[in-house]
Amino acid sequence: EVQLAESGGGLVQPGGSLRLSCAASGFTFSNYWMSWVRQAPGKGLEWVANVRHDGVARHYVDSVEGRFTISRDNAKNSLYLQMNSLRVEDTAVYYCARVQGEYDVGDVWGKGTTVTVSS
Amino acid sequence: EIVLTQSPATLSLSPGERATLSCRASQSVGSYLAWYQQKPGQAPRLLIYDASNRATGIPARFSGSGSGADFTLTISTLEPEDFAVYYCQHRRTFGPGTKVDI
Repeated sequence: EVQLAESGGGLVQPGGSLRLSCAASGFTFSNYWMSWVRQAPGKGLEWVANVRHDGVARHYVDSVEGRFTISRDNAKNSLYLQMNSLRVEDTAVYYCARVQGEYDVGDVWGKGTTVTVSS
Repeated sequence: EIVLTQSPATLSLSPGERATLSCRASQSVGSYLAWYQQKPGQAPRLLIYDASNRATGIPARFSGSGSGADFTLTISTLEPEDFAVYYCQHRRTFGPGTKVDI
C-alpha cells in the first residue's frame, strides 16, 4: 500500500527550529518529486516547498524562502523539512505529498503533523 | 502569479442533489487544474487532475471540465460522504475552497 507518514511536529517558541520528517512506503520514492503543503487552523491549503527526485532542484513559497529547507534521503525513503526562525504564522498542519506529473499535483498525502509556534 | 477564485464559498445542498463548483484562474492555465476533497481532520484527497481526469479510485459521480481560465467540478448525485471542502489547484497555487454542506 502506498503510504506517507509525517512526524516531528510540536510546540516551539518563535525564533526556534523544528525538523519534520515524512516516511514513504509502497512505491519507488526516488522516482517522484515530493512536496510539503500546510494548512493553518481554519484556513485553506498553502503549498510550501517541493524537491525533485534527485534532491537537486528545490522550490519554496516566498514566505519561507531562506528559513525552511526541504531535503530527501532516497536510501531511507524519507523527505524532510528543516524549519528555522519559526514565526507564529507558520503554525499549521504540515502535509507531505507525492507529486504526480509536472505540475505539483499531489496524488498521495500523509495524515499531517501539527506545528504550533507560540510563546 | 496566478490567482484562483472559487465560487460559491458555501454550497448548501441535500443528498441526491447535483453540485456544481466553479474555479476561475486569473490567467489561462491550459488544462493544468486539479481538484481535491478535504473532510474535517483529514488530509486532502486528489479527485481530478488535468481538469477532467479522475484520480485512481474516484467514483464516476465526480467529473471535471473546463480549460483556459474557467473550470467546473460536478458531483452528479451527492452522497452523504461528499459533504466536505473542495479545493482547486494550479501548480503551487490553491483556491480558497468551496464548502459543500447540508
